[in-house]
Amino acid sequence: NAGVTQTPKFRVLKTGQSMTLLCAQDMNHEYMYWYRQDPGMGLRLIHYSVGEGTTAKGEVPDGYNVSRLKKQNFLLGLESAAPSQTSVYFCASRLLSRETQYFGPGTRLLVL
Amino acid sequence: EDQVTQSPEALRLQEGESSSLNCSYTVSGLRGLFWYRQDPGKGPEFLFTLYSAGEEKEKERLKATLTKKESFLHITAPKPEDSATYLCAVRSLNNDMRFGAGTRLTVKP
Repeated sequence: NAGVTQTPKFRVLKTGQSMTLLCAQDMNHEYMYWYRQDPGMGLRLIHYSVGEGTTAKGEVPDGYNVSRLKKQNFLLGLESAAPSQTSVYFCASRLLSRETQYFGPGTRLLVL
Repeated sequence: EDQVTQSPEALRLQEGESSSLNCSYTVSGLRGLFWYRQDPGKGPEFLFTLYSAGEEKEKERLKATLTKKESFLHITAPKPEDSATYLCAVRSLNNDMRFGAGTRLTVKP
C-alpha cells in the first residue's frame, strides 16, 4: 500500500515550456486535490476532483489544468510555465465518507 | 472569507520544555479542524481531526484541543524528533479547505 505517490520529484522548466505532474493513489479514494505551497503561505488549493471524470477549480486555478480519467490518477498540467509557478506541488486524496486528507511527498518545480 | 492564522511563526524549545501552538480560525460553519506535521522536503503527515468545541485528541506527546475560535496543539516534554512544521487547516460546511502558514518548531537537545 504505497498511499499517495507523485512524479516527478523535481523538475526545472524554462518559461513557456509545458509539463504534466502525475499523482496516483492506491487507497480507492474518491476525492483528489492539487495544492501548491510557497514560503510563508499556507497550502493553496489549485484544483480538485470528486470522482473519475469530474474536476473543479480551487483557490488559485489560473495557469493550470487537470484531468482525472481514472479514479486512482489525477494529472496537473502547466501549458505555458511562468516563473510565478515556481513552487512545491502536493497532491492529496481522501474518502468521500471521511474528512481527513492524505498527502503525497511533493514535486518541486523551478521555472526559469 | 474563511481564514486560518497560526502563531507563533517559529518556536524554539529546549528538550523537555512544554509549550503550545495556536491556530485561530474564522469559518462559515466548521466541518473539521485538522493538524498536520510536515518535515523538511516531505508532504504533510496527518495528526488529528477535531470536529466540535470541547473535543480533545492525544497522540504520544501531542494533545490537540478545540474551541469555537481556536485550536491548540500542546506539546508535553518535547524531544528533538518533534522538530517540524505543524500545519493547521479548517474545512467549512461548503467544503472549502483553508490552511494556515504553519509553526516551525525546533527542539534543542
